[in-house]
Order: sequence, then structure tokens, then C-alpha cells
Amino acid sequence: SQQGEEDPQALSIQEGENATMNCSYKTSINNLQWYRQNSGRGLVHLILIRSNEREKHSGRLRVTLDTSKKSSSLLITASRAADTASYFCATVHAAGNKLTFGGGTRVLVKP
Amino acid sequence: EAGVAQSPRYKIIEKRQSVAFWCNPISGHATLYWYQQILGQGPKLLIQFQNNGVVDDSQLPKDRFSAERLKGVDSTLKIQPAKLEDSAVYLCASSLDRMDGYTFGSGTRLTVV
Repeated sequence: SQQGEEDPQALSIQEGENATMNCSYKTSINNLQWYRQNSGRGLVHLILIRSNEREKHSGRLRVTLDTSKKSSSLLITASRAADTASYFCATVHAAGNKLTFGGGTRVLVKP
Repeated sequence: EAGVAQSPRYKIIEKRQSVAFWCNPISGHATLYWYQQILGQGPKLLIQFQNNGVVDDSQLPKDRFSAERLKGVDSTLKIQPAKLEDSAVYLCASSLDRMDGYTFGSGTRLTVV
């Protein structure tokens, strides 16, 4: 079963715009991670946010975490055509090491 | 640092045939994972190893799938016999511990015809 659910499932924006996607999960977590995947190949780790953190930045990426609502958001600022990819949130349960993925958000950045 | 290596990159087999995938994780990473990703879906964990012991194989279809991790390093995932619904990308990942991001290999795209 998949722990996280991303919203929206697909997103189309113009280059330079911001892209925001959300993730909701069901059980208590140790941390939440965001990954990017191009063309169905290997996933690339973008950012990890711990359960005791509320916000984290990495370059043009901003991640927030609200454990009371069991949700997270990923913001990509000033998007580029190269940001076109599928983005997945994944959670590590509070007990154990298992990383469970959501269904992903497909982002298309039009030049 | 070298990444997670997987082979082969592509494999096409007929249903009821057998197939094996190989994974070499990042040196020093104790935890190794095999994921199955069906087109349009998120990856689903098949099996997780800690060193050479199985931590979680609850979603591994054990009647046809098997996996091993020899000496706590390389791992192989086998499907015997394959079914049409096994067509997917099989991803291997490794991590140092659960507070680290996982490093994924490029995956093996399996097509069962």
C-alpha cells in the first residue's frame, strides 16, 4: 500500500513560474523525502525533512511539513524546462526503515 | 562516490520464463532495497535487506520472486516464472541509515510478452 498521496497528479506551467505540489500521508513518520524521476528511470533524492522540522530549503526547492495535518508541500521556484519530471514524496515510518512512496506528480514546464 | 549499479538495463522475456536482476549498492551502505515501479505509479517496496538479512519482504510475491544479498554487498532479484503483470522497472536503492536519502540505481526495465 502507498503511504503518501500527491496532489495534483499532473501540473503544467510556464518556465519561470513556481510549481507547488502537496503530499499527504497516513501514519506517524520519522522523516519525509522528495524525489525526482526523469522518463521512468532512477529516482534522484532532492530533500529530506525530519519530523521535528517544519521547513527546509535547498536551492530553488522549499519543503514544508505539517505533522498535525500529516502533509507536506514541495515548492519549486522559478521553474525551468529541465525541471520537467515526476516528483514523488516518500515517508520513513516512525518505526522501521521502510521508505514508502506516493503516486507522484507529473510536472511539465513549458519553455 | 560511485552510484548504485544495476544490470541489465533492459530485458524482454516471454511469460513463464525466468529472469534475474543484479544490484551493487554504494560501498558501506548496509541497507539495500528492491522496488517495483509499474508505469504511471510510484515505486513499491518488494524487499529490504539490512546487511545480508531480510528486514521486510511483506510485499514480495514469494511464489515467484526471490532475492538474496550475498555477503551483505551485491544482491540479485529473480522472477520465476514471469507473468505479464511483472512488466515494470525494477529499482535497487541503498542507504546508510534511515536518516539519509536513498540512492537509486537506473533500474532495469522488464517487459514480459
